[in-house]
Amino acid sequence: AQSVTQLDSHVSVSEGTPVLLRCNYSSSYSPSLFWYVQHPNKGLQLLLKYTSAATLVKGINGFEAEFKKSETSFHLTKPSAHMSDAAEYFCVVTKNNAGNMLTFGGGTRLMVKP
Amino acid sequence: NAGVTQTPKFQVLKTGQSMTLQCAQDMNHEYMSWYRQDPGMGLRLIHYSVGAGITDQGEVPNGYNVSRSTTEDFPLRLLSAAPSQTSVYFCASSYATGTAGDGYTFGSGTRLTVV
Repeated sequence: AQSVTQLDSHVSVSEGTPVLLRCNYSSSYSPSLFWYVQHPNKGLQLLLKYTSAATLVKGINGFEAEFKKSETSFHLTKPSAHMSDAAEYFCVVTKNNAGNMLTFGGGTRLMVKP
Repeated sequence: NAGVTQTPKFQVLKTGQSMTLQCAQDMNHEYMSWYRQDPGMGLRLIHYSVGAGITDQGEVPNGYNVSRSTTEDFPLRLLSAAPSQTSVYFCASSYATGTAGDGYTFGSGTRLTVV
């Protein structure tokens, strides 16, 4: 069975400092992994995706994530936080081999202080 | 604007009432799904469809029905609303098998309160 654990439910950073949102997964096959962002009262927007190509994946708004199979991790990073990055972030893994069912982590709420 | 459209955005129901949440997409996506979002639990899959006429259950299907008569529409029916169904509901669509890397397109959500 596939599962996703986001290690921090809340992360607080100061504007201009680095962001690290941690995600561990378990899967019985080679999964696809995603990070989605949800701004308050909005739907989910795809930030980036890993689909067995390059292990370092670059996404929108300066975010990137590195797939580490040995550590079963897919942590999301950004060098310098912006106030507009304040949102909830979800790490997601494909649930089945066909790739069309998803398992979501519990979410990490990122707060950015001025 | 291409995307996933959900209606209504907000709804309050009384216990025992029924209603249908609408979802439509104009991207010719084969795969459509319904999720519910509850605090601290991420999103959980209710039902999904891999094409017109084909539906299947997800993780939390009890109390919900779906049908897929066209590629574009995937309504979610609450048969007899219960307070435990108070949640935010998201519809999502994607191309089907082999293209998981494209990710999903999500609607903006329906916030449902059952009193």
